[in-house]
Amino acid sequence: DAEITQSPRHKITETGRQVTLACHQTWNHNNMFWYRQDLGHGLRLIHYSYGVQDTNKGEVSDGYSVSRSNTEDLPLTLESAASSQTSVYFCASSKQSGVWDTQYFGPGTRLTVL
Amino acid sequence: QKEVEQDPGPLSVPEGAIVSLNCTYSNSAFQYFMWYRQYSRKGPELLMYTYSSGNKEDGRFTAQVDKSSKYISLFIRDSQPSDSATYLCAMREGRGADGLTFGKGTHLIIQP
Repeated sequence: DAEITQSPRHKITETGRQVTLACHQTWNHNNMFWYRQDLGHGLRLIHYSYGVQDTNKGEVSDGYSVSRSNTEDLPLTLESAASSQTSVYFCASSKQSGVWDTQYFGPGTRLTVL
Repeated sequence: QKEVEQDPGPLSVPEGAIVSLNCTYSNSAFQYFMWYRQYSRKGPELLMYTYSSGNKEDGRFTAQVDKSSKYISLFIRDSQPSDSATYLCAMREGRGADGLTFGKGTHLIIQP
């Protein structure tokens, strides 16, 4: 079955380190998204991509970057991890740009920055 | 004021009760409205998806949108313990490629 996976599922790192979270989908969806979920804030959009070589900033993009070299993957990089980036990160994908296209979410990565 | 307001709860009701979950929003350009269900330590899963104003029913679930009041609701009939989860409202202005704006989520507990 087609699916969306994230790795690692749990990660502990130290302040200042570079961290990359992986997202892989097998639906051949054009659009991919990264959100973070924090208590008291809900899900907030970090970055998104409409296709290969396309990336866009979301609501809370500072300190994060993404690159899209193929359809299946959208890795999220924290350039220099900060304690404020401790969160649960969700990747999502949607097929195209149709108004009825919906987003499907991965299982999440729980990141702790010490 | 946040774009989407949702009471975080927890909301605790007995099994079999009708549950009403709500969100209000401020951006009148939102046209597409979704409800996601999220179990503990899992990703959100799409439950209901509606466009503009009106009702949509799917089994025990009914979604309502009132764009004039900027208010959306999710009703769950004959609630079951397995419905215990966090319910997130989400919305967007236009095409499917746009990111979603979420409410904070309401934690629902169905007591057996």
